[in-house]
Amino acid sequence: QKEVEQNSGPLSVPEGAIASLNCTYSDRGSQSFFWYRQYSGKSPELIMFIYSNGDKEDGRFTAQLNKASQYVSLLIRDSQPSDSATYLCAVGGTSYGKLTFGQGTILTVHP
Amino acid sequence: GAGVSQSPSNKVTEKGKDVELRCDPISGHTALYWYRQSLGQGLEFLIYFQGNSAPDKSGLPSDRFSAERTGGSVSTLTIQRTQQEDSAVYLCASSSAVGAAKTQYFGPGTRLLVL
Repeated sequence: QKEVEQNSGPLSVPEGAIASLNCTYSDRGSQSFFWYRQYSGKSPELIMFIYSNGDKEDGRFTAQLNKASQYVSLLIRDSQPSDSATYLCAVGGTSYGKLTFGQGTILTVHP
Repeated sequence: GAGVSQSPSNKVTEKGKDVELRCDPISGHTALYWYRQSLGQGLEFLIYFQGNSAPDKSGLPSDRFSAERTGGSVSTLTIQRTQQEDSAVYLCASSSAVGAAKTQYFGPGTRLLVL
């Protein structure tokens, strides 16, 4: 079992719809959770981080964390074609901040 | 302020040659990380620096890989006797402090191609 798992997709949604990206992790001691967006040929850029159970909203993005289920998700409301990218889930452990990444989910938002 | 910078942006080398990849973190960031991303793969942790020391080198694939950091700033990742399987994008990230919750900011990466 991989430490951080994501559905590789591709996930295709129409413009204006809600895109839902999911991630599960195996280490119950994980403390921090990050979503990065990576455009083709570019480096990852941080979208959101979440540390506590529940929801965290930032503009069109909402991160959801459920530690009991070892599950973290990212919702993108009013999806735009510019949101088309690979979304990487990253999990931080109990120590110095090393991140373990999932394989990424490819999202395509079509007009 | 300036972000994480890396050089070169692209490197093509022949199998068996040595290469050096450089990372210049965000000013004041004490933690520095190297990751590798192979085609179609997620990011793979290589090594972590806190200041000039490397408490975790567990991700380095073999003894052909080494890294150092000087002055608590610039880091160099060296790959000796490169192999074709070393071809990947090498990403550097830095963060402002140590801790599980600290956000890492990535540089643009070095795309390494070993022929």
